Amino acid sequence: GAVVSQHPSRVICKSGTSVKIECRSLDFQATTMFWYRQFPKQSLMLMATSNEGSKATYEQGVEKDKFLINHASLTLSTLTVTSAHPEDSSFYICSANPGTSGTYEQYFGPGTRLTVT
Amino acid sequence: GENVEQHPSTLSVQEGDSAVIKCTYSDSASNYFPWYKQELGKGPQLIIDIRSNVGEKKDQRIAVTLNKTAKHFSLHITETQPEDSAVYFCAATLNEKLTFGTGTRLTIIP
Repeated sequence: GAVVSQHPSRVICKSGTSVKIECRSLDFQATTMFWYRQFPKQSLMLMATSNEGSKATYEQGVEKDKFLINHASLTLSTLTVTSAHPEDSSFYICSANPGTSGTYEQYFGPGTRLTVT
Repeated sequence: GENVEQHPSTLSVQEGDSAVIKCTYSDSASNYFPWYKQELGKGPQLIIDIRSNVGEKKDQRIAVTLNKTAKHFSLHITETQPEDSAVYFCAATLNEKLTFGTGTRLTIIP
């Protein structure tokens, strides 16, 4: 159980275009999903917390107009990188929390490698 | 906010020996401490976790200890195998948010 998928696994886009990444919880409902970014040989940095039916909460320094997050259902959250630039190239990973009261487990997706040319 | 330090950054052990990775956290209100294993090009995989009301937890060859007073926790892997080679991250949870350590690249030498 607790499987999280991401699509696509890899994407290459041109500078100035937008890219959408999907995160799905396959066998549980997730009231909360999280989006992380990981640069090569570095740790995961939380970008934003996505709650179903409400606006995402962004971490300090993350541009909410550039990284649009939509948590449309209890099994799907999307991250759209708008007007992408080469410095946005990174490994984007989502996680999902089953939301059972008193639990904090986060299960991670396989990640999406974004390359902006 | 929370700050998590992790040591060592790299660790090489002979197959069959034990490996220990240590983390410290800054906020005493953190209450959940998971450990993740990440293989190259993949997402992190939860391998073991511990809550703040527990001092030790074991799952087969993996164990985690927590010292709340000192605000540090450790991962212990016994009888290491080549497939244990990966990057390991500790994390501390405060208000449902994970703060990750900087990672430890573990290499098991056959």
